[in-house]
Amino acid sequence: KQEVTQIPAALSVPEGENLVLNCSFTDSAIYNLQWFRQDPGKGLTSLLLIQSSQREQTSGRLNASLDKSSGRSTLYIAASQPGDSATYLCAAPFLNTGFQKLVFGTGTRLLVSP
Amino acid sequence: EAQVTQNPRYLITVTGKKLTVTCSQNMNHEYMSWYRQDPGLGLRQIYYSMNVEVTDKGDVPEGYKVSRKEKRNFPLILESPSPNQTSLYFCASSYGTGATEAFFGQGTRLTVV
Repeated sequence: KQEVTQIPAALSVPEGENLVLNCSFTDSAIYNLQWFRQDPGKGLTSLLLIQSSQREQTSGRLNASLDKSSGRSTLYIAASQPGDSATYLCAAPFLNTGFQKLVFGTGTRLLVSP
Repeated sequence: EAQVTQNPRYLITVTGKKLTVTCSQNMNHEYMSWYRQDPGLGLRQIYYSMNVEVTDKGDVPEGYKVSRKEKRNFPLILESPSPNQTSLYFCASSYGTGATEAFFGQGTRLTVV
């Protein structure tokens, strides 16, 4: 069974710090990996999607990397701001489910204090 | 604006009273799916649909029904809700298959008493 793990479960940093969120998966046969942001009472917002053939994707202060061989992805947030406070989720569709569902990690809850 | 819209956002109901959570997307996506999110268990897929009139079970389909009569709509039906269906529900859509970028609705928080 595929598993997606996110470490740490929670992270608290002062404003301005650069930080890294980790996502690991047990099966390298993924189609892509997607990072989401979830705010309390709101839905999931897609941040970045990395195709399995790519190594990284960037959007503004966010950079996501993917290493399929080691089963890892990282989300790098530069110069963190209080508005970055949210839960961050990674998810991937796996080959042995026909890529028909996203398997989610349980998330990293980030708090950026002013 | 491209979006996935769920209704209602919040719902409190009693055990056994049939309810429907609606989901609509305006991106002409073929693929739609439903997830539930529970503390400690994360998001789990309930049902998915690859196109009109094509639906299939996800990981936790028991107690739920779906239909896909139109491309834009994918309602989730609870014919006899029970307290263990109290959860946060999300609808998602993506272009083509479940392997492309997924767009999620705002969520429906359901409480069954």
